[in-house]
Amino acid sequence: QKEVEQNSGPLSVPEGAIASLNCTYSDRGSQSFFWYRQYSGKSPELIMFIYSNGDKEDGRFTAQLNKASQYVSLLIRDSQPSDSATYLCAVNGVGFQKLVFGTGTRLLVSP
Amino acid sequence: EAQVTQNPRYLITVTGKKLTVTCSQNMNHEYMSWYRQDPGLGLRQIYYSMNVEVTDKGDVPEGYKVSRKEKRNFPLILESPSPNQTSLYFCASSSHTHQETQYFGPGTRLLVL
Repeated sequence: QKEVEQNSGPLSVPEGAIASLNCTYSDRGSQSFFWYRQYSGKSPELIMFIYSNGDKEDGRFTAQLNKASQYVSLLIRDSQPSDSATYLCAVNGVGFQKLVFGTGTRLLVSP
Repeated sequence: EAQVTQNPRYLITVTGKKLTVTCSQNMNHEYMSWYRQDPGLGLRQIYYSMNVEVTDKGDVPEGYKVSRKEKRNFPLILESPSPNQTSLYFCASSSHTHQETQYFGPGTRLLVL
């Protein structure tokens, strides 16, 4: 069983719409949850992290965490073509240095 | 400019020929990690280091070695590369005070024939 699961996509949304990206994880002891964005041929860059149940907002991005359901999501409001990328969910336990990544969801935002 | 650098960026080699991929950061970060990225498997952690002379295995350490003799450098060593180590490799670093924010290097694409 994969530890962190994401739908590979592609998820296609029109410009201006809300993109919803989902991730489930298997380790109930996981404490920290991360969303990275990776453009084709580039390195991952951190978008957001969340530790507590509920929502965390940063600009157009909202991360949502539900530990009971072992589910974390990323909402992108007012999606732009520049948001087209692969979004990686990552999870770890105690300490931040042992990260487990999902395989990523490819997002396509059409003008 | 704050950055993580990797060298080489691209490398083609043959089975069994020892190689080293260097990683250097100029942010005085304590934590450094190596990952490999493969289609369908995502990013997998190879080794990580919490400070000088402190290293630990990630999820896929077999066939790799690391060392952390200086804070800024964290080289990845493949003593006897095999074709299944063909991959895209990333180095990353973060500080003790902001552990959650990892800065990734540009990647090294390795092909082992």
